[in-house]
Parts: sequence; C-alpha cells; structure tokens
Amino acid sequence: KAGVTQTPRYLIKTRGQQVTLSCSPISGHRSVSWYQQTPGQGLQFLFEYFSETQRNKGNFPGRFSGRQFSNSRSEMNVSTLELGDSALYLCASTQGERETQYFGPGTRLLVL
Amino acid sequence: AQSVTQPDIHITVSEGASLELRCNYSYGATPYLFWYVQSPGQGLQLLLKYFSGDTLVQGIKGFEAEFKRSQSSFNLRKPSVHWSDAAEYFCAVGAQGGATNKLIFGTGTLLAVQP
Repeated sequence: KAGVTQTPRYLIKTRGQQVTLSCSPISGHRSVSWYQQTPGQGLQFLFEYFSETQRNKGNFPGRFSGRQFSNSRSEMNVSTLELGDSALYLCASTQGERETQYFGPGTRLLVL
Repeated sequence: AQSVTQPDIHITVSEGASLELRCNYSYGATPYLFWYVQSPGQGLQLLLKYFSGDTLVQGIKGFEAEFKRSQSSFNLRKPSVHWSDAAEYFCAVGAQGGATNKLIFGTGTLLAVQP
C-alpha cells in the first residue's frame, strides 16, 4: 500500500496570505489528523477528521481550519498567515479507532 | 491533564553501545503508547506501540520498550546502537476521552551517535 502523501512538500508565503495543504491517507483509512511541529512548541495536535466530520480540535485559533472529503483525503487551511505559523505540518492517517497513526512526510511552510 | 515527559533533550552514545531513552506519561487509565523516530526533514516513523498485553514490546530496527504501570514509564531500549540510529525520538500517548486518535507527544530526545 502507498503511504500517506502530503502536497506540497515546501511552501513559502508572506504574512497575511492564506495557504491550503493537502493530505491523502493510506487507502482504507478513515481518520486523518493534523499536527504542527515547531522547534519551540514541539508537536501539537491541530484537528482530526473521521468520515468527513471533525471530531477533535486542538488549541489553535480559528484561522486554522480543515475538511475531509468522501474519499478520506483531507485539506487544512490557514488564513491570514503570521510569522509564527512557520512550521512543519504533519498529517497522519488511521484505519479505525485507537489504532496506529501513520505519518506523511510533512509540508514545510515558511512565512516571510 | 494528560502529558508525556521525555527528560533527556539530547543524548550522545558511541556506536555499539546500548541505549535507553526515557519516557514518562500521565494518564488515568490503561494508555496507548507509541515511540516514533524522525530523521531530519522527514515525517514520523513508528518504531513500536503498546496497547495491552505483554509489557515488553518489540519494534523495528532492533528497538524494544517496556511498559511499567507502577512507574508510569515506557522507556525505549536498544542493545547496540548503529550510526544510522542518529535521529530524534518521540514518545506519545493516545488521548483519553471518547473516540479519538489524537496523540500527545513528548518534547523529543535527539540522539547523536559517535563513531
């Protein structure tokens, strides 16, 4: 099976812009979670989608949003980018409940 | 609140030496525990996991971990480290509270391997 794929791998944006990141889970996986990784804050949970519904959300401002499509692919969007949004954004997919999460390679976002 | 503590930010070992990376968690019930490894610029690769049963779990690349409920620990071990093991290691616990796959991560331990 193909692993979790994320596109794009690298992005450079300027403050105030918005960005959309994409994640394709492993075939058959219904749950997609997003994490932000920064040197200062480490790995922080953003949100989780399961069967097109957001069922868990981390402590991030409303500028961070996401959605999941019927084929389980997920997108996350960040509006009005700030310098502090520069990070590695990781997506993980899981087949069912409380099972292993498999991570993609990440999208590295740089905000200038 | 749930938390994961990795007390060692950075560890250096010599190639061929044994390794133990510490992980302590705070969790009310039987935890779901994971160890992941991350090479520079890469995503996270699962090394091993504990859900229930035998408290000594074997993983990939010769790693093992032991779940000790009395100490709230899940330490990662390897008997002989290879230069290719140099990476950052993250311990994680599955969050409590309903249907969720959310993981709570420790701050990571950066492993350097000396020749």
